[in-house]
Amino acid sequence: DQQVKQNSPSLSVQEGRISILNCDYTNSMFDYFLWYKKYPAEGPTFLISISSIKDKNEDGRFTVFLNKSAKHLSLHIVPSQPGDSAVYFCAASHNFGNEKLTFGTGTRLTIIP
Amino acid sequence: GAGVSQSPSNKVTEKGKDVELRCDPISGHTALYWYRQSLGQGLEFLIYFQGNSAPDKSGLPSDRFSAERTGGSVSTLTIQRTQQEDSAVYLCASSPILRKFNTEAFFGQGTRLTVV
Repeated sequence: DQQVKQNSPSLSVQEGRISILNCDYTNSMFDYFLWYKKYPAEGPTFLISISSIKDKNEDGRFTVFLNKSAKHLSLHIVPSQPGDSAVYFCAASHNFGNEKLTFGTGTRLTIIP
Repeated sequence: GAGVSQSPSNKVTEKGKDVELRCDPISGHTALYWYRQSLGQGLEFLIYFQGNSAPDKSGLPSDRFSAERTGGSVSTLTIQRTQQEDSAVYLCASSPILRKFNTEAFFGQGTRLTVV
């Protein structure tokens, strides 16, 4: 039972354009969400997070949007840069982060120069 | 070191042998996770340690898998009688004392296990 789903295994975006990565979840108890970025042969690194009391969190070029009624979150990267090419994992937790993280299957983002 | 350290970085083993994978978390981090990533798959949760609480072992795929965390610090993941389907990258992560809205987990670089 995949509680966190990333339905797009891959995405290609032109450099300078907006990249939008999507994530859906089924467990209504989740109240804290994170995005991680993974380069080949490296461990995932934390990118940005959002709690369920907000619907948007922004950090530089990265913005995460949360739609609780739809159980959907998205990561926007604008403008996209070649260094953004990586696999992006969505993760969720409940009890405001006091429980283990559940990860999605990842989306491979390729930025085309 | 400043980050999560895993050893070995690569391990090739024969089917049926036992292996031990080590994780040194960031000093002071109370939570420690083991995940694995098989080829083309996402991050599969294996086990979660939090302070002195009983570990959450709900992700361990079979009784051939076990993990311990000694002294609240170093953790060892043991796979007995390895099978080819155990081949994957095994990732360890740690996070600091839990506080609301801040459970960023820091990952190690992983151990690539190949069972031949």
